[in-house]
Amino acid sequence: DTAVSQTPKYLVTQMGNDKSIKCEQNLGHDTMYWYKQDSKKFLKIMFSYNNKELIINETVPNRFSPKSPDKAHLNLHINSLELGDSAVYFCASSQDFGSSGADTQYFGPGTRLTVL
Amino acid sequence: KNQVEQSPQSLIILEGKNCTLQCNYTVSPFSNLRWYKQDTGRGPVSLTIMTFSENTKSNGRYTATLDADTKQSSLHITASQLSDSASYICVVSRGSYIPTFGRGTSLIVHP
Repeated sequence: DTAVSQTPKYLVTQMGNDKSIKCEQNLGHDTMYWYKQDSKKFLKIMFSYNNKELIINETVPNRFSPKSPDKAHLNLHINSLELGDSAVYFCASSQDFGSSGADTQYFGPGTRLTVL
Repeated sequence: KNQVEQSPQSLIILEGKNCTLQCNYTVSPFSNLRWYKQDTGRGPVSLTIMTFSENTKSNGRYTATLDADTKQSSLHITASQLSDSASYICVVSRGSYIPTFGRGTSLIVHP
């Protein structure tokens, strides 16, 4: 009964390839997020979707494109992978943004992407 | 510049002891402050969330405090357990949700 799941858990690929990471939540939440954690464990938000609409799009290269087919899914597609894209990518969800953006977020287990 | 600084960078304590982790921020305008626990190889888990009007919040053996005037927060862990060994991350948000993450404090609890 995993609340937020991601596939794959590990992804190793060559520079220049295109890859996707899938995320699903079974909590009935309206808001989903993608985060990137670099090799120094520093987390940074990439995208946020609320009811299938893009709300936050931080300074992320346009090679990264989120796709939300429905409220329970937020997939991350990455084109033309670069060495610097190697990181752990976390998906998360919350009921909504909440008052002052303070809704509890539930994170997935992460996808470790390695670009060779 | 919006920044979140955590200290210490790492901490080693003996099981059963208490400890306090610090978070100073310059994020403005302040919306909320979160503390997360991240075990190695896992996603972060929310411990506490505090808005401007809250100055303390507890979650079991974890107690967070917030001083919005001095822009400081602390996370106090009581009677530490081996399972408390993890990275603790402070996140300060502005607006509806524009988060700035700290680099975390790595806590090791020894038996």
